[in-house]
Amino acid sequence: EDKVVQSPLSLVVHEGDTVTLNCSYEVTNFRSLLWYKQEKKAPTFLFMLTSSGIEKKSGRLSSILDKKELFSILNITATQTGDSAIYLCAVENFGGAGNMLTFGGGTRLMVKP
Amino acid sequence: NAGVTQTPKFRVLKTGQSMTLLCAQDMNHEYMYWYRQDPGMGLRLIHYSVGEGTTAKGEVPDGYNVSRLKKQNFLLGLESAAPSQTSVYFCASSPGPWGTEAFFGQGTRLTVV
Repeated sequence: EDKVVQSPLSLVVHEGDTVTLNCSYEVTNFRSLLWYKQEKKAPTFLFMLTSSGIEKKSGRLSSILDKKELFSILNITATQTGDSAIYLCAVENFGGAGNMLTFGGGTRLMVKP
Repeated sequence: NAGVTQTPKFRVLKTGQSMTLLCAQDMNHEYMYWYRQDPGMGLRLIHYSVGEGTTAKGEVPDGYNVSRLKKQNFLLGLESAAPSQTSVYFCASSPGPWGTEAFFGQGTRLTVV
């Protein structure tokens, strides 16, 4: 059974801290790993990773994938209160009738002023 | 700039009632998905479609049916609602396999009493 596990489940930090969110996976026919940020409503796309060891960066956020050890991390530096959200990791794999996206349970991040 | 639109946004059903959730996308995407999100459980795939006229089961398909008669619409049906189906439902679409960015609707909050 395909599985995506995120840790920690929740995290409380203060503004300016750096956080690392973890995502490990066990899926067949891996295609890519995606990170989403979910605030009040729909998840919004952050990164897509397909190759090991290549860091993707967007402002204070960065992410990297390790396909050998089957995990990814999402780093957020100099956190701000606007970073408070649920961060979702999802793995794309080829299912019986096409590609599917399996989500982890999410990490709830709260950034305090 | 409609993107992915879900209707309704909120609904309360009595146990045993039926209803249909509508997802419409105006981006000519091939792939469409229905997810449910429960507290602490991330997003779980219910059904998905890789093109007009095709559907496939996801992780939690029981109690739901879907149809994709038109490329732009993906309908999720509950024939006999149960309290366990109380959840937030998200529809998503993508132009191709999930390696490309997916777009989510704003969600439908369904309560079954």
